[in-house]
Amino acid sequence: EPEVTQTPSHQVTQMGQEVILRCVPISNHLYFYWYRQILGQKVEFLVSFYNNEISEKSEIFDDQFSVERPDGSNFTLKIRSTKLEDSAMYFCASISGGRETDTQYFGPGTRLTVL
Amino acid sequence: AQSVTQPDIHITVSEGASLELRCNYSYGATPYLFWYVQSPGQGLQLLLKYFSGDTLVQGIKGFEAEFKRSQSSFNLRKPSVHWSDAAEYFCAVGALGRALTFGSGTRLQVQP
Repeated sequence: EPEVTQTPSHQVTQMGQEVILRCVPISNHLYFYWYRQILGQKVEFLVSFYNNEISEKSEIFDDQFSVERPDGSNFTLKIRSTKLEDSAMYFCASISGGRETDTQYFGPGTRLTVL
Repeated sequence: AQSVTQPDIHITVSEGASLELRCNYSYGATPYLFWYVQSPGQGLQLLLKYFSGDTLVQGIKGFEAEFKRSQSSFNLRKPSVHWSDAAEYFCAVGALGRALTFGSGTRLQVQP
């Protein structure tokens, strides 16, 4: 069964450094998402991406965040200057789009630790 | 604004007992409703979903959920819990192609 993959599984970085989290959505999917989950808290939406542009974003997704689909398979989340409070599990998700029964399929997540 | 409330932060049941996890939502239109399960250190796995039609939906691992529009609820049930069901369960609401809003989750412990 096709699945969403994410790399790395765990990223440790120093405060102020840039990080790029990578996702490979399911191959025929058209909508892509990033969510985050701070330890012990609920999953929160960050941003959605469709047709090579951001379609929706939350208040969390400020100027230090950016997303990109650099090629036909990868979907990346960049954090320009990490802060301690960016430490969280980051989940990528995708859906195929266009059908009533579409469901967001989640990757296994990248745990980001900012020191 | 849409929201999801899971009133039970933590539930403990005995293996073999029945289970019901509560979920109430607030949404301005016909909701798309989901239940996801997360095992420790793992990602989110879809258990079941409701878009339309029959209000009782069946999912994987023997779970089911019932959509009750009048109560704005989408409770998850399982007739007999197994030790492997111990995990965190998240209810979510959204629309096609849009962001999902998650509840705070219910942590399920299963006693032998």
